[in-house]
Amino acid sequence: GAGVSQSPSNKVTEKGKDVELRCDPISGHTALYWYRQSLGQGLEFLIYFQGNSAPDKSGLPSDRFSAERTGGSVSTLTIQRTQQEDSAVYLCASSLTGVGETQYFGPGTRLLVL
Amino acid sequence: AQSVTQPDIHITVSEGASLELRCNYSYGATPYLFWYVQSPGQGLQLLLKYFSGDTLVQGIKGFEAEFKRSQSSFNLRKPSVHWSDAAEYFCAVGDNFNKFYFGSGTKLNVKP
Repeated sequence: GAGVSQSPSNKVTEKGKDVELRCDPISGHTALYWYRQSLGQGLEFLIYFQGNSAPDKSGLPSDRFSAERTGGSVSTLTIQRTQQEDSAVYLCASSLTGVGETQYFGPGTRLLVL
Repeated sequence: AQSVTQPDIHITVSEGASLELRCNYSYGATPYLFWYVQSPGQGLQLLLKYFSGDTLVQGIKGFEAEFKRSQSSFNLRKPSVHWSDAAEYFCAVGDNFNKFYFGSGTKLNVKP
């Protein structure tokens, strides 16, 4: 497709379960970003990939969060042992090359942890 | 640490009135500055961005923003608001390490 896609669009899980969120960036975009948007809050920067590498993982909220990117394309954000405070909308964005470039956002995955 | 402040959580303006949304940032160097809009059920869309040069930047949908270094501000303006502008607006700062910091957003309500 022409835009950034994310799946699933909605995910309901039980506390303690693991979840995987997927992001398909715009074809040819080398930079990929993950954000978390909690209810009534702004976007919280989680991690950034340039190609398959994430130079700085310090934005991930805890060691339960991990992310990878393969083939310079698809990325997955994994949350292990989910907690209720993980409930949020997880947004993915991509940009052509990175610093200073316009980011194009996906529709997000709405995660609800019961 | 870098931060972005949008002091107005909600703003209501009448259709046809002018609009100014405030954004203040904290960053040691010259930042990359952005304004995004998020309409209900829609993804985030870039309105405009500033990197360098002319401090008054024009964006889509008739929006403009002015970078004022002395005030660490990047306020968004529109001369005449339309009902379709009702949405949530986010100011963001990007640093040289490709990390981005978003404000908590301003929800705009437009009265007929």
